[in-house]
Amino acid sequence: EVQLVQSGAEVKKPGESLKISCKGSGYSFTSYWIGWVRQMPGKGLEWMGIIYPGDSDTRYSPSFQGQVTISADKSISTAYLQWSSLKASDTAMYYCARLAGGTVTNAAVDYWGQGTLVTVSS
Amino acid sequence: SYVLTQPPSVSVAPGQTARITCGGNNIGSKSVHWYQQKPGQAPVLVVYDDSDRPSGIPERFSGSNSGNTATLTISRVEAGDEADYYCQVWDSSSDLDVFGTGTKVTVL
Repeated sequence: EVQLVQSGAEVKKPGESLKISCKGSGYSFTSYWIGWVRQMPGKGLEWMGIIYPGDSDTRYSPSFQGQVTISADKSISTAYLQWSSLKASDTAMYYCARLAGGTVTNAAVDYWGQGTLVTVSS
Repeated sequence: SYVLTQPPSVSVAPGQTARITCGGNNIGSKSVHWYQQKPGQAPVLVVYDDSDRPSGIPERFSGSNSGNTATLTISRVEAGDEADYYCQVWDSSSDLDVFGTGTKVTVL
């Protein structure tokens, strides 16, 4: 059974760093693109970026370029999303998502993580 | 970047048909995927590649795509269909995925 299991909720202060994780199981982790999606409170879904764990090819949406870092450790089938200096506006639910078919073009998300709630408040 | 526009809300009576549009420049040339998201839950894929359904999704969910508009149709709407719905496409010009603005479906 394919599963994406994300790390637990986080409460941080502005300026702190954070790294959240998404562990894949039940499939070949290196053969599928993994994306990160932000959902701010009461708002819609936003693509942040994607990574191919097989070779760490990473792409960022313009709004998130330079704001976050996406990485993966294929030895433990885990993808990461990290911030070096959090802001209150980073408060949101973050989902990891697997793109179907092992391709990045025209691929739907066939599996989602359960989400990680990040709260940034002084 | 590529913009996908959805109506903020659609209201429908039980048993009737809900149609949710997703507008984008020449979207008919792209593959459109649709997701359902209920409160407090992760999204679920309901239609992919314009009109295909994943296993386990009822036949009541169907999709079409032509010109500048893609449409998700929910036939014989049930109370359990009340949710937010999002379209998604791959934008080849930017090499990135894009979500639509989202539509809240309310079952009256």
